Amino acid sequence: NAGVMQNPRHLVRRRGQEARLRCSPMKGHSHVYWYRQLPEEGLKFMVYLQKENIIDESGMPKERFSAEFPKEGPSILRIQQVVRGDSAAYFCASSPGQSPTGELFFGEGSRLTVL
Amino acid sequence: DQQVKQNSPSLSVQEGRISILNCDYTNSMFDYFLWYKKYPAEGPTFLISISSIKDKNEDGRFTVFLNKSAKHLSLHIVPSQPGDSAVYFCAAFAGTYKYIFGTGTRLKVLA
Repeated sequence: NAGVMQNPRHLVRRRGQEARLRCSPMKGHSHVYWYRQLPEEGLKFMVYLQKENIIDESGMPKERFSAEFPKEGPSILRIQQVVRGDSAAYFCASSPGQSPTGELFFGEGSRLTVL
Repeated sequence: DQQVKQNSPSLSVQEGRISILNCDYTNSMFDYFLWYKKYPAEGPTFLISISSIKDKNEDGRFTVFLNKSAKHLSLHIVPSQPGDSAVYFCAAFAGTYKYIFGTGTRLKVLA
């Protein structure tokens, strides 16, 4: 399966701990997006990255959240000192950059629960 | 600012009938619109898209209509099937590849 792979699928953290979510894009895709879905809400854009570059992080909270997409390895969304309000589903999506249909390919998501 | 809006949080339709899901947007610079379907505990999957230079795109049972003057698009599913029951998101982007999603409409197709 060459789809977008996210891990872990489920993550439980206590308040104040760190959460690291990983995303391996589809083969050949160099563009990665992170979205957050709070309960009963839509998909909120967080950050858009290309290899080694953050292109648009306008949806990321200014504090505690960071993202990277290194030259080698998966993209990582890092949340430091988690709080209960960070509990959500975090989806990663990838694209080859120029898609005829503009399609994004999503992973199955990582569900973070903060106790 | 909610640039892409789906004002109906839910919709119920009888099997075999038409489902119409609506989406409104505010940014006239959007140049591509997409619809995604999402089942519980899964990631969204692409359904159909339309360029801003077109007003209709059809793929099997799914047709998307775009009305640029009204800044409105709709997804028609006909005939509706129980397996179509899911949450449907519309999305749009404007050149920078920043995709903006609506809040979703939960479709329930009744057998």
